[in-house]
Amino acid sequence: SQTIHQWPATLVQPVGSPLSLECTVEGTSNPNLYWYRQAAGRGLQLLFYSVGIGQISSEVPQNLSASRPQDRQFILSSKKLLLSDSGFYLCAWNTPHPNTVFGQGTRLTVV
Amino acid sequence: AQKVTQAQTEISVVEKEDVTLDCVYETRDTTYYLFWYKQPPSGELVFLIRRNSFDEQNEISGRYSWNFQKSTSSFNFTITASQVVDSAVYFCALSDTGRRALTFGSGTRLQVQP
Repeated sequence: SQTIHQWPATLVQPVGSPLSLECTVEGTSNPNLYWYRQAAGRGLQLLFYSVGIGQISSEVPQNLSASRPQDRQFILSSKKLLLSDSGFYLCAWNTPHPNTVFGQGTRLTVV
Repeated sequence: AQKVTQAQTEISVVEKEDVTLDCVYETRDTTYYLFWYKQPPSGELVFLIRRNSFDEQNEISGRYSWNFQKSTSSFNFTITASQVVDSAVYFCALSDTGRRALTFGSGTRLQVQP
């Protein structure tokens, strides 16, 4: 079956520290992968999407970057976190139906 | 550019009342998909329904029903006989056919009081 794993579930990081969030998908090949962010009390905003290994498109200018080192692995990173990077980060993949399935999310608090 | 508007920020109803969540969208695409997701307090996004732009039939699933009207660019969601477990934030979203990424509305927080 097709599943999506995202970790960690929660993270508290100091300002200026690096970030690495990982997402993996199982049961499919060559999926479209996405990173979304939900700021407190707001809707979700698309940050990055990828249609294949090494192919990353950034939707908004920001302090974050994404990488796709393997077909079913999508990583969200930052070299130095800002307070404004706090939020709920969701990884997602697009099924052939089409439908978008989300991971459980990572709640990031930058202090 | 695509846009989804959910004008209702928060709705509070008493259990067993019917409630309708509004969603209005903007797109230049002729082919697109509309979605509703539920976000309970735990945070995960739960898929409720997908509608493509060529199918304007209304859909009913148990206590849930959806009214898609292309003429008014609306995709409204009605919960009949609401229950406390329906309390959540509900998001309407629009997908393009290229990136297949979702543009979300700002969400409607529904509180169902016992």
